[in-house]
Amino acid sequence: AQKVTQAQTEISVVEKEDVTLDCVYETRDTTYYLFWYKQPPSGELVFLIRRNSFDEQNEISGRYSWNFQKSTSSFNFTITASQVVDSAVYFCALSEDYGGATNKLIFGTGTLLAVQP
Amino acid sequence: NAGVMQNPRHLVRRRGQEARLRCSPMKGHSHVYWYRQLPEEGLKFMVYLQKENIIDESGMPKERFSAEFPKEGPSILRIQQVVRGDSAAYFCASSIRGTYNEQFFGPGTRLTVL
Repeated sequence: AQKVTQAQTEISVVEKEDVTLDCVYETRDTTYYLFWYKQPPSGELVFLIRRNSFDEQNEISGRYSWNFQKSTSSFNFTITASQVVDSAVYFCALSEDYGGATNKLIFGTGTLLAVQP
Repeated sequence: NAGVMQNPRHLVRRRGQEARLRCSPMKGHSHVYWYRQLPEEGLKFMVYLQKENIIDESGMPKERFSAEFPKEGPSILRIQQVVRGDSAAYFCASSIRGTYNEQFFGPGTRLTVL
């Protein structure tokens, strides 16, 4: 069964601290994609990253970095030197393929990050 | 290039009424997905459509809910005889192709059932 677990419901940090958001996934497929989305207080969903199952290289984009480890089925997200504007709910998601045409996203329950000034 | 558009942004209905949510995908995108976010929960997949076809409706409630994506015009998510439990944010996403492409989300429609 496919499943995404974000065990951290809420995290609170002080500005400039580093913070890591955990994501653990379950899938029976060998080909899949992992995503992170940000949902700020305004409510829209902002795409952050997509990673396919064959690419385990870590990725860095500014203050954001992602650590994908197939051995532990994890796709963790780190924000370096957090800022108040990073306050949002962050969702990890999984997309599988069973040979069909669908790529519906399976979302975790999200982690609410609060960055205090 | 305009993003995914959804309207209305907020919709209030009384129990028993019908709700119609509209989604215009990004230009050039022919794949549309609907997700529902109940209060304090993550997003749950409802339905996946291509132009004039429903590809996967495994997440749609069996009754009262329907979706379409006609050849011309926006995709419509229709909820008949709404109940309080339908109160949620409904998000539409679109992509260029089906498999593995990024889904770009609209701002959502927040449905409140009184």
